Amino acid sequence: DAGVIQSPRHEVTEMGQEVTLRCKPISGHDYLFWYRQTMMRGLELLIYFNNNVPIDDSGMPEDRFSAKMPNASFSTLKIQPSEPRDSAVYFCAGGTGISEAFFGQGTRLTVV
Amino acid sequence: AQTVTQSQPEMSVQEAETVTLSCTYDTSESDYYLFWYKQPPSRQMILVIRQEAYKQQNATENRFSVNFQKAAKSFSLKISDSQLGDAAMYFCAYYEGSGDKLTFGTGTRLAVRP
Repeated sequence: DAGVIQSPRHEVTEMGQEVTLRCKPISGHDYLFWYRQTMMRGLELLIYFNNNVPIDDSGMPEDRFSAKMPNASFSTLKIQPSEPRDSAVYFCAGGTGISEAFFGQGTRLTVV
Repeated sequence: AQTVTQSQPEMSVQEAETVTLSCTYDTSESDYYLFWYKQPPSRQMILVIRQEAYKQQNATENRFSVNFQKAAKSFSLKISDSQLGDAAMYFCAYYEGSGDKLTFGTGTRLAVRP
């Protein structure tokens, strides 16, 4: 298994553009998490899914952020419109809820 | 590529006792940072402790301390006087410090027995 796969690895975009981050979890993992890493705030949980259903999205900073999990093998985090303060590393992680969690390598987003 | 290994999927400790969680990593760098994060049921990631690789002194934060063995690439977390609130998943993470991302281990679930 290739582990949790995130794409793209790096994204540079202009302010106001739509950005879509993608995550492919490990097969069989029924939990999926999206985290954001910044120097100022450290690691923040944005949203998590269980069996493709969003359970807690209270960490989503604004309406500009949305996340979907249309099936067990794919999730997206979308920012529309993007702003410079959205620049961060975004992690996707998956697991079975009570055991280990597997993190992707992250997507570094830069909004200029 | 850097890797972080946590070989203990689950650990258990009696309240008020001490427990040590293991973490090893692989890197060719000499300057980097290591972290332990706590993930309670809320799923938030809480920074517990950090260690700069250039510092020989082991980091300590209240009941939490690390045993950093740079040559062995080992970074264990010791929790003293364990409390019920310490029950959580604990993740070890590596950060190169040159703008790269965190690399996480797979976590250790800690149970605290009353």
